[in-house]
Amino acid sequence: QVQLEQSGTEVKKPGASVRVSCRASGYTFTNYGVAWVRQAPGQGLEWMGWISPYTGNTNYAQKLQDRVTMTTDTSTSTAYMELRSLRSDDTATYYCARESSSTSADYWGQGTLVTVSS
Amino acid sequence: DIQMTQSPPSLSASVGDRVTLTCRASQVINNYLAWFQQKPGKAPKPLIYSASNLQSGVPSRFSGSGSGTDFTLTISTLQSEDFATYYCQQYNSYPLTFGGGTKVEIK
Repeated sequence: QVQLEQSGTEVKKPGASVRVSCRASGYTFTNYGVAWVRQAPGQGLEWMGWISPYTGNTNYAQKLQDRVTMTTDTSTSTAYMELRSLRSDDTATYYCARESSSTSADYWGQGTLVTVSS
Repeated sequence: DIQMTQSPPSLSASVGDRVTLTCRASQVINNYLAWFQQKPGKAPKPLIYSASNLQSGVPSRFSGSGSGTDFTLTISTLQSEDFATYYCQQYNSYPLTFGGGTKVEIK
């Protein structure tokens, strides 16, 4: 069965960086994109960007473009999202999701809480 | 960017009710419209893709319709497990964007 397993809770100070991992199983990793979506406490869903594990192509939300990097390791079927220069408003739960151009995000990870606090 | 507007922001309904949620895009999105259900503390659950296609395992009481810029999600007979927040998302063009959500609460 398709599963996306994310890394654990993170607590970071302002200005630091965080890297969240998302290990995929149950399907051919390179056949689907991986999207990253975040949700601040009590708020809605925000699309952060997308990466193709097959090509390495990415597409980032403009507001995060200067601070975010998405990568994949096809040898371990793992996607990574790194966010730099963290601010308090980056406090959120971060989700990865398997994505295709036809069905959108059809499987999601369990979420990773990232708290940014001094 | 394509703006997605959901209405109403919240609604109160009873078990057994028929409920209709609306999502409007700021431009034509060629039916690349998905719906998600989210419960507190949980990841979003995919319900519908391509405006009207049920994701695998989704109960048939959920249905989606619409085209162009206007879309609806209908729950034909509301069940207790359906009380949640629902989000639409356009995936026609980058950046992908979500609506603000509709919270379905118990009356």
